[in-house]
Amino acid sequence: GESVGLHLPTLSVQEGDNSIINCAYSNSASDYFIWYKQESGKGPQFIIDIRSNMDKRQGQRVTVLLNKTVKHLSLQIAATQPGDSAVYFCAENNYGQNFVFGPGTRLSVLP
Amino acid sequence: DGGITQSPKYLFRKEGQNVTLSCEQNLNHDAMYWYRQDPGQGLRLIYYSQIVNDFQKGDIAEGYSVSREKKESFPLTVTSAQKNPTAFYLCASSTLRGGGTDTQYFGPGTRLTVL
Repeated sequence: GESVGLHLPTLSVQEGDNSIINCAYSNSASDYFIWYKQESGKGPQFIIDIRSNMDKRQGQRVTVLLNKTVKHLSLQIAATQPGDSAVYFCAENNYGQNFVFGPGTRLSVLP
Repeated sequence: DGGITQSPKYLFRKEGQNVTLSCEQNLNHDAMYWYRQDPGQGLRLIYYSQIVNDFQKGDIAEGYSVSREKKESFPLTVTSAQKNPTAFYLCASSTLRGGGTDTQYFGPGTRLTVL
């Protein structure tokens, strides 16, 4: 597979447990945020997004929380499955600008 | 079947050679982007284009060139001037909001290795 994700922080969770992946973003003016999932050797896959006028958004088994006060974003995955093993990274966007991407966190699901 | 395609999946280059990476999208997106991904780092923007026949340098444009002759296509050339080209290259596309990018969707990537 690709060497993407070497030296990244790793989160290990038991199958069936909930996972929480965190991201600190840099620009207090950022108003749009995305979580991506990237499996080894593949391109990033859109998971869920949130705009700055919201604190929480839910999708299928995933929830994104936004705390603008401390510039913190989190991704919660419910009932983590082996197929969730991947690198997860956040992206922030300031209206009219390009995205800034975090380096990511590797999620490892233990049987 | 809509999406973004990149080719080839793997590419090997000898030192001193130019190589071109292909990116095609059928999402009718106005904007297209090229990123470089290195281990342990966030994606870094090489070039982007918001309209046909126009493109802008990103954060690490040196040693790269692009063209945008068609809305659907945004090829990236890695020239011999790029001193450390071995990396995973990702193409993305998006609609636009406020003169800038909206949600970006990525292709499967091209792994370039210099021999």
